[in-house]
Amino acid sequence: KNEVEQSPQNLTAQEGEFITINCSYSVGISALHWLQQHPGGGIVSLFMLSSGKKKHGRLIATINIQEKHSSLHITASHPRDSAVYICAVWGTGTASKLTFGTGTRLQVTL
Amino acid sequence: DSGVTQTPKHLITATGQRVTLRCSPRSGDLSVYWYQQSLDQGLQFLIQYYNGEERAKGNILERFSAQQFPDLHSELNLSSLELGDSALYFCASSAHTGNYGYTFGSGTRLTVV
Repeated sequence: KNEVEQSPQNLTAQEGEFITINCSYSVGISALHWLQQHPGGGIVSLFMLSSGKKKHGRLIATINIQEKHSSLHITASHPRDSAVYICAVWGTGTASKLTFGTGTRLQVTL
Repeated sequence: DSGVTQTPKHLITATGQRVTLRCSPRSGDLSVYWYQQSLDQGLQFLIQYYNGEERAKGNILERFSAQQFPDLHSELNLSSLELGDSALYFCASSAHTGNYGYTFGSGTRLTVV
């Protein structure tokens, strides 16, 4: 079992829909990151969370440390949101390193 | 432009060869991270440097090495290249270590033939 699991793997939505991508992890973490990778390959860091909730424009990220779960929400989705969304966790202790989920491929259609 | 500069953007080389990938972090950032993204393995963390010192190590092969220089730029050296080393190699930088937002470079696409 991977240390970081994302669901769904693939998601197709129509423009305007509310989207939720989930991330569950099994290790102790000091932070969780949400990344966006566009079809051209470039990666953008969206959020870094260690607790609670963060919002940036139409994007909202939440984390529940007790349940080891995070969600990324996109409100009023748009075709330009089409990308791969990747969850990554920074582990704690001597094995501290960044571990990535396999990503969620989102396609938003008109 | 993210502020993190990676060169070269593309590299094609033969098996057994050695290459060097370069990363200049965003101005003011002290941490540099290297990642590998291959089709079958996804994104993997390779190594982190902070202000010239190795800070964390991930799934980096012994054939690979990295360093961060006094001017904070970093180089990733890949030797005895194999076909399976073909991947996108990303560099990212952050102001501190670990728990801060990263800025990614646009990556170096390495093709080993």
